[in-house]
Amino acid sequence: DAGVTQSPTHLIKTRGQQVTLRCSPKSGHDTVSWYQQALGQGPQFIFQYYEEEERQRGNFPDRFSGHQFPNYSSELNVNALLLGDSALYLCASSADSSGGNNEQFFGPGTRLTVL
Amino acid sequence: DAKTTQPPSMDCAEGRAANLPCNHSTISGNEYVYWYRQIHSQGPQYIIHGLKNNETNEMASLIITEDRKSSTLILPHATLRDTAVYYCIVRVARHGQNFVFGPGTRLSVLP
Repeated sequence: DAGVTQSPTHLIKTRGQQVTLRCSPKSGHDTVSWYQQALGQGPQFIFQYYEEEERQRGNFPDRFSGHQFPNYSSELNVNALLLGDSALYLCASSADSSGGNNEQFFGPGTRLTVL
Repeated sequence: DAKTTQPPSMDCAEGRAANLPCNHSTISGNEYVYWYRQIHSQGPQYIIHGLKNNETNEMASLIITEDRKSSTLILPHATLRDTAVYYCIVRVARHGQNFVFGPGTRLSVLP
């Protein structure tokens, strides 16, 4: 079992550009959540996808959008990048069928640097 | 905002038990206590979770007070590889409920 995988591992962009990050959930998981972690802080929830729909969203602007595919993999898109978007972006997956009392498994993250 | 309070940092001698406290005085009856840890530059790793009974697995033990207002994560024999930031999170067991991370406790295991 490969666990949660994310690509790319590192990315450098300039202000104003757009970026797409990718995530493949752990086998058997159908729910994907995205988090942003700035240096020295805990992860902050961006949004969650289930059944190809955004089910819940944190306090992030519309520049942050996502998508979930029929195979449960997911993308995070960020438009009009700002310097403050530099962070570690984490993907977490879980099995919704477990009744809610379940843990999320995190991927290794994508380190985004905006110059 | 996170509903838990943890000390910002702790030290522990290698081979000794590490006891990490967490206060969650406003916890609701349907909220579980979860513990994750994050080793430098890696994704958070699930450790353990519980509702009101003490829990133990191969990684750690979770002790929840009877009033559920606080808990302690115990690493019975800390090793250098246990050096990490440890997050205590309370979360409703509901489909789609996300995890709210606070700043956590930075545990340093010293040789």
